[in-house]
Amino acid sequence: GAVVSQHPSRVICKSGTSVKIECRSLDFQATTMFWYRQFPKKSLMLMATSNEGSKATYEQGVEKDKFLINHASLTLSTLTVTSAHPEDSSFYICSARRSVGEQFFGPGTRLTVL
Amino acid sequence: SQQGEEDPQALSIQEGENATMNCSYKTSINNLQWYRQNSGRGLVHLILIRSNEREKHSGRLRVTLDTSKKSSSLLITASRAADTASYFCAHDDSGNTGKLIFGQGTTLQVKP
Repeated sequence: GAVVSQHPSRVICKSGTSVKIECRSLDFQATTMFWYRQFPKKSLMLMATSNEGSKATYEQGVEKDKFLINHASLTLSTLTVTSAHPEDSSFYICSARRSVGEQFFGPGTRLTVL
Repeated sequence: SQQGEEDPQALSIQEGENATMNCSYKTSINNLQWYRQNSGRGLVHLILIRSNEREKHSGRLRVTLDTSKKSSSLLITASRAADTASYFCAHDDSGNTGKLIFGQGTTLQVKP
């Protein structure tokens, strides 16, 4: 199967700082990547669709100025949590779409904001 | 909420028993997928079933799809302690955007 990586796997930061999370498709090109958020013992909630070379599409209720998404190449999308606060602490998971119906998930990033 | 329903929310069985998880959704779909997630880890894709398929097998996994009832089930036969994980169904949004709508998940515990 295809491989999607995320970096970092775990990050702890102080309130007010910004954190960047990278999502890479290692062995295929992905014109579309997705960012999800998962609270403890809950399901995945789609935050936004990241399209290479264009602006991300955000789901209702997700602040685009808070969660900046950049899909600069066919293998890399980044999510920046700006001015992070404790309520932003969560597990963030990305996925990359290889073809219709084929979506591969990264291992996730655990963000803890103190 | 867009999220589908899954039941049961939690399931505890003995090793060797079968585990059945159900998933319902609200919209028309092109396909439905099942994923597994170990605690604190990413998702592992288990199986994809297309809207024109009724049943699909993969090893000890059996997935059914009933589009008239907008429901799917995942059966794990002869369960093992290593099957302990959370299981999620996810379906596309039928708009060919690639978006996946996840069910709420079933937490399965298999006791040795």
